[in-house]
Amino acid sequence: AQSVTQLGSHVSVSEGALVLLRCNYSSSVPPYLFWYVQYPNQGLQLLLKYTSAATLVKGINGFEAEFKKSETSFHLTKPSAHMSDAAEYFCAVRSVGNEKLTFGTGTRLTIIP
Amino acid sequence: EPEVTQTPSHQVTQMGQEVILRCVPISNHLYFYWYRQILGQKVEFLVSFYNNEISEKSEIFDDQFSVERPDGSNFTLKIRSTKLEDSAMYFCASRGQGGGYEQYFGPGTRLTVT
Repeated sequence: AQSVTQLGSHVSVSEGALVLLRCNYSSSVPPYLFWYVQYPNQGLQLLLKYTSAATLVKGINGFEAEFKKSETSFHLTKPSAHMSDAAEYFCAVRSVGNEKLTFGTGTRLTIIP
Repeated sequence: EPEVTQTPSHQVTQMGQEVILRCVPISNHLYFYWYRQILGQKVEFLVSFYNNEISEKSEIFDDQFSVERPDGSNFTLKIRSTKLEDSAMYFCASRGQGGGYEQYFGPGTRLTVT
């Protein structure tokens, strides 16, 4: 079965510092990969997606993610953290031929002023 | 920008009661989903729905659950006899027919079973 691992349930970075949130997937066939963000008491907002086109994917709010097949990873980065980035971030995978998204356990990002 | 809407935002019910959670997907979308998130846990897939039938469901989606698209705009999740462990945030999602397969989520309905 498809699975997603997010290393680090909590990540804290200083405002202006690099944000790196890790996601690894298990699949023998490159799947479709997504990052979603959840602000407090809100739903899930799509940040970006990988669908086998470019391996470096740019999303909203300055985030980007790089698909690395050799490492089965899809880490999320942002060069300079902003206070408004504080939220929970979920990596999700969709297998070819399936409809469901399988989510990771999430990473709560805290920004230190 | 089109968005998925859900009502109510919060529903409190007693154990054993039936609840219906409602969703209005994005208007030109054809694939519909329900997920749930128990407090402090990850988001879990429940069911997907396409062309007026269930296309995929998880082990969680047992006979107590059902989905329906009663008209051209609404998509509902019914829980026939709620249990304490059904307390969770329920998210509706939809997607179009494009190759991106991205799903757009609603704000959720918090279901509390007492």
